[in-house]
Amino acid sequence: GESVGLHLPTLSVQEGDNSIINCAYSNSASDYFIWYKQESGKGPQFIIDIRSNMDKRQGQRVTVLLNKTVKHLSLQIAATQPGDSAVYFCAESNAGGTSYGKLTFGQGTILTVHP
Amino acid sequence: DAGVIQSPRHEVTEMGQEVTLRCKPISGHNSLFWYRQTMMRGLELLIYFNNNVPIDDSGMPEDRFSAKMPNASFSTLKIQPSEPRDSAVYFCASSFQTSGGSYNEQFFGPGTRLTVL
Repeated sequence: GESVGLHLPTLSVQEGDNSIINCAYSNSASDYFIWYKQESGKGPQFIIDIRSNMDKRQGQRVTVLLNKTVKHLSLQIAATQPGDSAVYFCAESNAGGTSYGKLTFGQGTILTVHP
Repeated sequence: DAGVIQSPRHEVTEMGQEVTLRCKPISGHNSLFWYRQTMMRGLELLIYFNNNVPIDDSGMPEDRFSAKMPNASFSTLKIQPSEPRDSAVYFCASSFQTSGGSYNEQFFGPGTRLTVL
């Protein structure tokens, strides 16, 4: 029979533009959130994290925004480069509970950067 | 640090054969996670350990799957017998949990690409 794969959201941008990748999470008890980047043939790689007592955190060219009211997380990438092309995953955790570090991952967003 | 180490990187086997995937977590980490990634289902958590003890194996698909962590520096995921639908990339990840909680990222290995013919 015909196989049906996941239909991941996609985002295409031009090199130099800013990118915004969005994620909705489900568990209101989640208090720790992480963005991962996965390049083809590699394992997910940590980008940036944020705790629920913050609503914004900045790294190098990346910013994560957290809106707990609507359970929404976003990743902003400034001056996007071709090397940023990858699948981006958000992940949530009830880190302050007894999760032992267990993360729940979103489905992922495919970012394609055109030179 | 070498990061999380997985072996083999690629495995091709025939249906019915036993497959063993290996993982060495980052030294000092006390939580270890096994994931499976496919186009159909995305990234799925299979099982995780804390201080070498299995905490939650509800993601293990069937009794054909088993995992062990005999010590803090080694874990195995075994499939016996293997089936074509087990074909996927299997990732191992580790993290460090403090007494105050688990506000630390998981570090992923490079994965093992399994093909069952």
